[in-house]
Amino acid sequence: EVQLVESGGGLVQPGGSLRLSCSASGFTFSSYAMYWVRQAPGKGLEYVSAISSDGGITYYADSVKGRFTISRDNSKNTLYLQMSSLRAEDTAVYYCVKDLGVGTTDTFDYWGQGTLVTVSS
Amino acid sequence: DIQMTQSPSSLSASVGDRVTITCRASQSISSYLNWYQQKPGKAPKLLIYAASSLQSGVPSRFSGSRSGTDFTLTISSLQPEDFATYYCQQSYSTPDTFGQGTKLEIK
Repeated sequence: EVQLVESGGGLVQPGGSLRLSCSASGFTFSSYAMYWVRQAPGKGLEYVSAISSDGGITYYADSVKGRFTISRDNSKNTLYLQMSSLRAEDTAVYYCVKDLGVGTTDTFDYWGQGTLVTVSS
Repeated sequence: DIQMTQSPSSLSASVGDRVTITCRASQSISSYLNWYQQKPGKAPKLLIYAASSLQSGVPSRFSGSRSGTDFTLTISSLQPEDFATYYCQQSYSTPDTFGQGTKLEIK
């Protein structure tokens, strides 16, 4: 059974940093692209960042470029999102998401339960 | 970025009704269109991918279709567990973009 378990969320002050982790199991982690998608309270879904199966290719939404860094450790089956210079508008539930296909299809077949990041003083 | 416009933004319907939700892309995205269902406090769930392919385990009352840059999610006979918010997402070009969502409520 595929499982994605996020951790690392919490309350942080504006300008602060936080690192999210996503522990994956139930599939060959190193074969799939992975993503972070966020959802602000009461709002829709926003694509944040993507990383290829081997970690060699990454992508960031303009809203987080230069502030967030996605990475992965295939030996630990873990996905990360390092967030810095956090702003109030980064407040959201952050979901770790798996790609449907081997390779990169940008189709999201499994989602974690989400971890809430709140940026506030 | 490609804009995805969903309609309606909300919809009231009854159990047993046939329901249609539409998503329009701002440019051609071929059939790179996915549909998700989200219930309150839960993560989204993939229903349809590549415009019309049913994800494994999803009931056959859900279906998707494409006409040019217009895409449709149809629920043939609403069940109580279908009341949720539905999102479309284009996977044609990065950044992937989502529609604003359609909230399906019980009449």
